[in-house]
Amino acid sequence: DAGVIQSPRHEVTEMGQEVTLRCKPISGHNSLFWYRQTMMRGLELLIYFNNNVPIDDSGMPEDRFSAKMPNASFSTLKIQPSEPRDSAVYFCASSSRTGSSYEQYFGPGTRLTVT
Amino acid sequence: ELKVEQNPLFLSMQEGKNYTIYCNYSTTSDRLYWYRQDPGKSLESLFVLLSNGAVKQEGRLMASLDTKARLSTLHITAAVHDLSATYFCAVGTSFGNEKLTFGTGTRLTIIP
Repeated sequence: DAGVIQSPRHEVTEMGQEVTLRCKPISGHNSLFWYRQTMMRGLELLIYFNNNVPIDDSGMPEDRFSAKMPNASFSTLKIQPSEPRDSAVYFCASSSRTGSSYEQYFGPGTRLTVT
Repeated sequence: ELKVEQNPLFLSMQEGKNYTIYCNYSTTSDRLYWYRQDPGKSLESLFVLLSNGAVKQEGRLMASLDTKARLSTLHITAAVHDLSATYFCAVGTSFGNEKLTFGTGTRLTIIP
């Protein structure tokens, strides 16, 4: 299995620009999670989907952030407009409900720098 | 709100020594996970603990869970340099809800 795939791996953009991060979960997994990692705040859950439906978006910082999952094999996280404080590593993870494990598998991450 | 605390935050230890990382959490949970993260890399799943008294071991690492004390430990035996990494515990809130809350992480450095 290829694991969780994220693109791009690195993104450098200017303040005010739109940024779109992409994620392909592991085939057969029906839950997908977006996390943000910074030195100051650690690892934060932004939003998660189950069967393509957003279940918990309480971690989405503000209206500039939006996420979609149009099908079981693709999700996007969009920031519009971007700000320097959005600079972080964004991880996507996926899981399946095998027994009661709910073990999450993480992608390689996208390192976002907003100047 | 579920809070997860790890200690210590930083740990330097000599090769060959034993040590333990602690993970405390604030509310009842039925799932606890340990992850490893190397610098600049993603998170790798190490252990999944699903019941009180659960113990799992992989090489020089052993994880245990005490749900009554709301405590998990990650024990390192005879540390080697390859174990240098940041270790996170993560706690699930309730059955049927897949959301995880992560601890702050413990940055472990093994000194030759």
